[in-house]
Amino acid sequence: GENVEQHPSTLSVQEGDSAVIKCTYSDSASNYFPWYKQELGKRPQLIIDIRSNVGEKKDQRIAVTLNKTAKHFSLHITETQPEDSAVYFCAASSGGSNYKLTFGKGTLLTVNP
Amino acid sequence: KAGVTQTPRYLIKTRGQQVTLSCSPISGHRSVSWYQQTPGQGLQFLFEYFSETQRNKGNFPGRFSGRQFSNSRSEMNVSTLELGDSALYLCASSTIPPGTDTQYFGPGTRLTVL
Repeated sequence: GENVEQHPSTLSVQEGDSAVIKCTYSDSASNYFPWYKQELGKRPQLIIDIRSNVGEKKDQRIAVTLNKTAKHFSLHITETQPEDSAVYFCAASSGGSNYKLTFGKGTLLTVNP
Repeated sequence: KAGVTQTPRYLIKTRGQQVTLSCSPISGHRSVSWYQQTPGQGLQFLFEYFSETQRNKGNFPGRFSGRQFSNSRSEMNVSTLELGDSALYLCASSTIPPGTDTQYFGPGTRLTVL
């Protein structure tokens, strides 16, 4: 089955700096890669996703890149703000008959004012 | 549109008991997935239902089961509770099977087993 590795497990940055979180996946058939943000005590919320036919996607301060050959994808947050502090999860799915998302173990991002 | 709802929000049970958790998806969503979230393990997939059929199951013992009703509401049941079952149980719904569409999560049910 699919296996998703996420690094780092914790990340601390100064406000205004950039943050990068990296994930690798094992199933070459995976074609959908969402990122979720979970604030303390709240539900995970989708912040951006990318499909295998796209190499990069950007939404304001957030961008995701995908390298299918290397089987890794990354989340980039620029100009970080204290409200970006949360746990971020990457996930991968091959869709089709494999009806599930496999999540990484999460990255605790702390943005220091 | 109302979001995904889960009941109850908190549960305290003792070892050996059983528990039933409920999830109401977003109106029009037919796929419901369940996840167990524990510190250090992230979100682990339990199972997914689409149109009342379980289409995929994660690596959990048979004590974990679920079902989906014709209105897409879903329940999961855990029998013979163990201390290690203490976790946040999240459900997520999507219009079509996960992996092809955005999943929207509920607030979760916090289960504590004493």
